[in-house]
Amino acid sequence: NAGVTQTPKFQVLKTGQSMTLQCAQDMNHEYMSWYRQDPGMGLRLIHYSVGAGITDQGEVPNGYNVSRSTTEDFPLRLLSAAPSQTSVYFCASSYVVGAGYGYTFGSGTRLTVV
Amino acid sequence: QQQVKQSPQSLIVQKGGISIINCAYENTAFDYFPWYQQFPGKGPALLIAIRPDVSEKKEGRFTISFNKSAKQFSLHIMDSQPGDSATYFCAATNSGGSNYKLTFGKGTLLTVNP
Repeated sequence: NAGVTQTPKFQVLKTGQSMTLQCAQDMNHEYMSWYRQDPGMGLRLIHYSVGAGITDQGEVPNGYNVSRSTTEDFPLRLLSAAPSQTSVYFCASSYVVGAGYGYTFGSGTRLTVV
Repeated sequence: QQQVKQSPQSLIVQKGGISIINCAYENTAFDYFPWYQQFPGKGPALLIAIRPDVSEKKEGRFTISFNKSAKQFSLHIMDSQPGDSATYFCAATNSGGSNYKLTFGKGTLLTVNP
């Protein structure tokens, strides 16, 4: 099925550990982004990319790295996990032309940092 | 700085009633206003969207009302059903901008009692 695939669905990390959240889409969308969702805070943009090789920071980028080597994949790296990064992470994609015609979201990764 | 303010945070409605969620924005360059619906454990999904050249858009039981001069827009759910119980996010973007980012409200948790 076409869409945005996120792995893993659940993860528990110890403080200081690193990990990569995976995101892949098969819709040939140029635009991809990562959001975190926390109670009462809505969806906050971490990083985004408008195409392969192009990335930029969003609202809350500290502690996260991204890269975009292919159109399909947009991994999010936590370099040294902190309890403040406990959250639900969503990857989203859309076309750039006609931007705003609707993001497609993945089903999320629930991350707990202890 | 929160560019899209959403209210209320939570809403309880009886089955068959009307649910109303309001959003206000600050950036006059915004020209695309989608609403997303999110069920527990799932990613947000596009529900309905409007551009400011129309004052109202209706899709089934869901209607967006848009007031450009007041910089406000709202979602009305007619004949609300228990299956509509979810979190709703309004969002806004400048579709002609260079970064294609959606700015989200903080969300409204809707509960429809049977």
